Amino acid sequence: DAGVIQSPRHEVTEMGQEVTLRCKPISGHDYLFWYRQTMMRGLELLIYFNNNVPIDDSGMPEDRFSAKMPNASFSTLKIQPSEPRDSAVYFCASSPGTGSNSNQPQHFGDGTRLSIL
Amino acid sequence: GQQVMQIPQYQHVQEGEDFTTYCNSSTTLSNIQWYKQRPGGHPVFLIQLVKSGEVKKQKRLTFQFGEAKKNSSLHITATQTTDVGTYFCAGRNYGQNFVFGPGTRLSVLP
Repeated sequence: DAGVIQSPRHEVTEMGQEVTLRCKPISGHDYLFWYRQTMMRGLELLIYFNNNVPIDDSGMPEDRFSAKMPNASFSTLKIQPSEPRDSAVYFCASSPGTGSNSNQPQHFGDGTRLSIL
Repeated sequence: GQQVMQIPQYQHVQEGEDFTTYCNSSTTLSNIQWYKQRPGGHPVFLIQLVKSGEVKKQKRLTFQFGEAKKNSSLHITATQTTDVGTYFCAGRNYGQNFVFGPGTRLSVLP
């Protein structure tokens, strides 16, 4: 069974450019999470979806960040315009679950290592 | 809001020594999960604890949930080089989503 698939694995771009990160969750998982990991701030939850609907986006740093989940098998995290401080590893995770919250383990993708020059 | 803390931040041990990391929450938790992230890898789920005072074992790893459900610990007996990585706890408040702690980075010297 394929795990959570993220693309690209690495992205290097200049500040001001638009960055789009992609995620395919595990089939059948109702929850999808986007995290950002840095040495300074650790693992931060940016946003999560339940059945394709954004539930909590309070972790999204600012308006430059947006996330969508047009269907159950695909999600994007977009940064526009990008800044050097956005450099981090971005993880997507999914979990099964029902109802308004999930008690299940989260399955993480390999992450996208983003560098903004 | 809910805060999850972990100590120590870093731990260096000689292979064969034991290791313990502690997780503390500012609020009572409904359940807690533990994850391991190898260097350059992604967090991988290890275990979930739900009951007050619960103890679970996975080979050399022992997980414990405090009686008050506000703290947890992970103990590794006789560490091996394969134990190297960062160990995260993630605590969930009733009705809320999981909050990850900052992690404990373990180095094992051969």
